[in-house]
Amino acid sequence: QQQVKQSPQSLIVQKGGISIINCAYENTAFDYFPWYQQFPGKGPALLIAIRPDVSEKKEGRFTISFNKSAKQFSLHIMDSQPGDSATYFCAASNGGGSNYKLTFGKGTLLTVNP
Amino acid sequence: ETGVTQSPTHLIKTRGQQVTLRCSSQSGHNTVSWYQQALGQGPQFIFQYYREEENGRGNFPPRFSGLQFPNYSSELNVNALELDDSALYLCASSVSPGFDTEAFFGQGTRLTVV
Repeated sequence: QQQVKQSPQSLIVQKGGISIINCAYENTAFDYFPWYQQFPGKGPALLIAIRPDVSEKKEGRFTISFNKSAKQFSLHIMDSQPGDSATYFCAASNGGGSNYKLTFGKGTLLTVNP
Repeated sequence: ETGVTQSPTHLIKTRGQQVTLRCSSQSGHNTVSWYQQALGQGPQFIFQYYREEENGRGNFPPRFSGLQFPNYSSELNVNALELDDSALYLCASSVSPGFDTEAFFGQGTRLTVV
């Protein structure tokens, strides 16, 4: 059962454009929502994360929008650059302590054309 | 680059064999999590170790086992390898098991089972 659904599977954007990736979750116990960026041959790296008590978080060109009632969150990349070309994963987790884990979406391959 | 190192980088094994993958956590981190990333998929949580004890497990069979050592490095062992075990195995370390502490991923070990 896929608990975090991510779309689109792939995305092509022109340099300077806005990239938008969407995720939806089912488990209402999730309370931490990070986004990871992965380049070929590398492990995922944390990009930005949000908790459900805020609706938006911005760090530089990257913004997470969070809609708790709709159980959806999205990543916006402003002024997209060719160096942003990578696979992006949304993830979610529910609390710490025992049985902590990140549940990942299937990923979005972003290509930013120069 | 994170301070998490994994070895070996690539590995080819025959079905039915056993394999051990290794992970050195980042300095100051006492928690290590292991993930399996099949081609074109998001990482899936295998298990987590905190201060040398298993601290949560995903939906993986018992032939997937692990260890954490006093220096907080970790091993993932897989017995009776199956073709479907072919994947990128990722190790992530963090300062604690807390849900909002950043997990730093290594570059992964690419396992191919033939």
